[in-house]
Amino acid sequence: AQKITQTQPGMFVQEKEAVTLDCTYDTSDPSYGLFWYKQPSSGEMIFLIYQGSYDQQNATEGRYSLNFQKARKSANLVISASQLGDSAMYFCAMREGRGGSNYKLTFGKGTLLTVNP
Amino acid sequence: GAGVSQSPRYKVAKRGQDVALRCDPISGHVSLFWYQQALGQGPEFLTYFQNEAQLDKSGLPSDRFFAERPEGSVSTLKIQRTQQEDSAVYLCASSLGYSLGDTGQPQHFGDGTRLSIL
Repeated sequence: AQKITQTQPGMFVQEKEAVTLDCTYDTSDPSYGLFWYKQPSSGEMIFLIYQGSYDQQNATEGRYSLNFQKARKSANLVISASQLGDSAMYFCAMREGRGGSNYKLTFGKGTLLTVNP
Repeated sequence: GAGVSQSPRYKVAKRGQDVALRCDPISGHVSLFWYQQALGQGPEFLTYFQNEAQLDKSGLPSDRFFAERPEGSVSTLKIQRTQQEDSAVYLCASSLGYSLGDTGQPQHFGDGTRLSIL
């Protein structure tokens, strides 16, 4: 089974509008962290936002927020007031466990976001 | 520099040749990771170092792949007798420290090396 599922291969949004990118995850470990990364065409992976499994509140970082629904195992990224520079591939990733087992990221297949002027 | 630096940015090699990819992590970062990203896919884990110790190499696809970090800083990923299926972007990432019992330390990525095997 896929650990991270991103069901939207591509999304389009008008500039200045909000957009939600979907991510569902699969783990039996009670301790985990969820990350979103942005990958522009230049190739660099840019860290956007993090949500821990024990966090009580949804994470926010500027125009990015994470809609964390633990029971549904979903961690959707919301981008408000989209800008042309937001056009990129977006990856959801998970790290499972804590202590010595807590290191590698498992990524989804990504969603290509295009912001239209 | 301030970020993770990878070189070369692009590498073209003929099938059967050996290649070496370099990663210079953020200064002071203890943890270093290598990932392989095939075209149109998300990155996949290859190997992990904590300082100079390679703690996990479970993602290396074959014994043709070898990684080292001898002084706990710069790392090299070597691929011997390259095959066409090795063509991918190889990403290096680093993070600040040991696992602290939380899951929240982000990994900071370099721009990657795009490897093409002819």
